Amino acid sequence: GAVVSQHPSWVICKSGTSVKIECRSLDFQATTMFWYRQFPKQSLMLMATSNEGSKATYEQGVEKDKFLINHASLTLSTLTVTSAHPEDSSFYICSASTVSSNQPQHFGDGTRLSIL
Amino acid sequence: KQEVTQIPAALSVPEGENLVLNCSFTDSAIYNLQWFRQDPGKGLTSLLLIQSSQREQTSGRLNASLDKSSGRSTLYIAASQPGDSATYLCAVKDDYKLSFGAGTTVTVRA
Repeated sequence: GAVVSQHPSWVICKSGTSVKIECRSLDFQATTMFWYRQFPKQSLMLMATSNEGSKATYEQGVEKDKFLINHASLTLSTLTVTSAHPEDSSFYICSASTVSSNQPQHFGDGTRLSIL
Repeated sequence: KQEVTQIPAALSVPEGENLVLNCSFTDSAIYNLQWFRQDPGKGLTSLLLIQSSQREQTSGRLNASLDKSSGRSTLYIAASQPGDSATYLCAVKDDYKLSFGAGTTVTVRA
């Protein structure tokens, strides 16, 4: 089946550091990639949607200057958490989809981000 | 705005019992509904995808039904096993994005 690879799986860093998370679709061309955030025992909240070659669309309440998204190719999207603070600590998950709305979304294994 | 609700929030059953997980959504204008499994600290594994025109999908011990007009889906897991212990999430796709429920955490006791 379709595979989405997310790296790193776990990051611990100091407050003020910028952290980059990569999301790759390994065996299909992902025209659209999605970035989600999940707090403990809560559901996934969509942060932004990115289409290859264009600017990401951010959900209401998500700071685009804080969470930089780049979707440079059909197989790679990156999320950079800039000047991270403890409140940014969370579980971040990416997913990828082809152009068709009726196809399933495939998810990465997530990145646990802990800011000290 | 689409609201997705999953009941119950948690469920504990003895091994061998059948599981019934419920999902409801407020806006019936959806493309599809997807059921996922999430193990602690992990990403999501897709279990079943039901298109809006379909009534149900089956895969092994899993069966999911969809009643779009009433905004409901049910995931059935037959003859549960301890390895089925996980959180199960449903998500509906409308327009461009998935809207998730909060999940049902299942514990199957050996």
